[in-house]
Amino acid sequence: GAGVSQSPSNKVTEKGKDVELRCDPISGHTALYWYRQSLGQGLEFLIYFQGNSAPDKSGLPSDRFSAERTGGSVSTLTIQRTQQEDSAVYLCASSLADRVAYEQYFGPGTRLTVT
Amino acid sequence: SQQGEEDPQALSIQEGENATMNCSYKTSINNLQWYRQNSGRGLVHLILIRSNEREKHSGRLRVTLDTSKKSSSLLITASRAADTASYFCATDLNSGNTPLVFGKGTRLSVIA
Repeated sequence: GAGVSQSPSNKVTEKGKDVELRCDPISGHTALYWYRQSLGQGLEFLIYFQGNSAPDKSGLPSDRFSAERTGGSVSTLTIQRTQQEDSAVYLCASSLADRVAYEQYFGPGTRLTVT
Repeated sequence: SQQGEEDPQALSIQEGENATMNCSYKTSINNLQWYRQNSGRGLVHLILIRSNEREKHSGRLRVTLDTSKKSSSLLITASRAADTASYFCATDLNSGNTPLVFGKGTRLSVIA
């Protein structure tokens, strides 16, 4: 496909379980971003990958959150020992340039519900 | 903390009317972008305005930027029911290679 894809689209998990969320960026996009959006809120930056540089993890809310990007393409966001406050829509975006002064293309998101 | 803050938080208008949404930000920026979000899912980029630009048009959209006031406005003319969505401004901080910072958005409802 031509756009950013994310899987799963919905995930319901029990408190304390680990979850993995996947993002497939647009081919050739060097930058990849993860955001979190709670109900009725704006987007909260989590982590940013640019090429082979070390990722910007400054937005990760706790050490239960981690992400990796393999081969400069697919990314996986992992949340360990999920808590109810982790419930949100997790959005992935990618962009072309090595600066963020270009539009970001968003995936449809993964809605995570922690029960 | 949020860099961009949209105003109003919610806006309801009749089809055919114009909708104006405002965004204020706190620090110097390189660029400001507006995005649209339907049904709480993925965002779609609408328009980007650079810090040295004052106004930009795209179809029924008009964006202004006033860097002295650290504010931007998004005008949608001749609104349609299909314009119903949340609209977010996002800024690229003028401090190196940083991700976009989004506001909380304006929820626009266009009533047919």
